[in-house]
Amino acid sequence: AQKITQTQPGMFVQEKEAVTLDCTYDTSDQSYGLFWYKQPSSGEMIFLIYQGSYDEQNATEGRYSLNFQKARKSANLVISASQLGDSAMYFCAMREGSEGLTGGGNKLTFGTGTQLKVEL
Amino acid sequence: ETGVTQTPRHLVMGMTNKKSLKCEQHLGHNAMYWYKQSAKKPLELMFVYNFKEQTENNSVPSRFSPECPNSSHLFLHLHTLQPEDSALYLCASSQAGNVGYGYTFGSGTRLTVV
Repeated sequence: AQKITQTQPGMFVQEKEAVTLDCTYDTSDQSYGLFWYKQPSSGEMIFLIYQGSYDEQNATEGRYSLNFQKARKSANLVISASQLGDSAMYFCAMREGSEGLTGGGNKLTFGTGTQLKVEL
Repeated sequence: ETGVTQTPRHLVMGMTNKKSLKCEQHLGHNAMYWYKQSAKKPLELMFVYNFKEQTENNSVPSRFSPECPNSSHLFLHLHTLQPEDSALYLCASSQAGNVGYGYTFGSGTRLTVV
């Protein structure tokens, strides 16, 4: 089974509008971390936001917020007031607590990504 | 200077060449990773190094040979590659065993095999 599922291969949003990028995850661990990364066409992966499994508040970082619904195992990224520079590929990722160092040190598992295009 | 530096940014090589990709991190991390990203494919984890020891090799062909001489440096040695190996190769570093720690990525090397 996929550990991270991103069901939207592509999304369009008007400039200045908000957009939600979906992410669901699958884990039986109690301790895990959820991350979102942005990858512009230049290729670099840029960290955006983090949510810990024990965090009760939704994470926010500037225009980015993470809508964390633990019971539904979803961690959607919300981008408010979209800008043209937000056009990029967005990846959801998870790091589980059970692996430990011998299991690869809790690897970060990525989804397949959502290509976001912001239009005028 | 970014935390993770990859060189070269672009590389074109023939199938009989030997080349190396270099990754260096200045963040004090103890884990380093190589990823391959092909066009329209998910990120593929290739190798994991924790405390300089290789802890994972995801069935990567032997024409890719990693080397981690210390916690700050990671190399990917390439030889007799195939055209399908053309891709973006990303290096990352992190703190092993800490779920609250994300990865810091380099800018990647765009490899073209001709």
